[in-house]
Amino acid sequence: AQSVTQLGSHVSVSEGALVLLRCNYSSSVPPYLFWYVQYPNQGLQLLLKYTSAATLVKGINGFEAEFKKSETSFHLTKPSAHMSDAAEYFCAVSDLSGTSYGKLTFGQGTILTVHP
Amino acid sequence: DGGITQSPKYLFRKEGQNVTLSCEQNLNHDAMYWYRQDPGQGLRLIYYSQIVNDFQKGDIAEGYSVSREKKESFPLTVTSAQKNPTAFYLCASSIRPDTEAFFGQGTRLTVV
Repeated sequence: AQSVTQLGSHVSVSEGALVLLRCNYSSSVPPYLFWYVQYPNQGLQLLLKYTSAATLVKGINGFEAEFKKSETSFHLTKPSAHMSDAAEYFCAVSDLSGTSYGKLTFGQGTILTVHP
Repeated sequence: DGGITQSPKYLFRKEGQNVTLSCEQNLNHDAMYWYRQDPGQGLRLIYYSQIVNDFQKGDIAEGYSVSREKKESFPLTVTSAQKNPTAFYLCASSIRPDTEAFFGQGTRLTVV
């Protein structure tokens, strides 16, 4: 069964600093991968997705992620944090195999805090 | 405007009562999902449906039931068999099962 692990339930950065949120996955076949953002008491919004094209994926709000098959990772980065980036971030993997085709599994989430 | 509508936003029920959460989408998406969110546990998949009249159990289906009689609707019933139903419930849909999902705004269920 596929799974997603997000390293670090809380990450704190200064405004203007690099943001790095880590995601590792396990899957029997190359998966599709996604990063979502959630603001309090709201649904999730897609930041970016990897669907087996370019390994470096650019998303909205200046975020990007790199798919590394050898490391089974899909870490999310942003060069310079903004106060508005404070939210919870989720990594997700879509199963492309067998009877679980289309099953979308999420990680535990990482709460990003940005301080002045 | 196209989107996913969950209703109501807040729901209160007495323990032992069944309750149904509504999820409607006008995006013409084939796949729909229900997730439960608890603090520190991420999103856990309850049920998902790839096509009308078909659905599969997710990771925590016990105490829940769904139906998919219409493409645009995927209601979730929280039954009295669910031991700890108080949570934030999120519905999502995607064009195909392997594409990105779009989420509704969620329903916060409180059982007292």
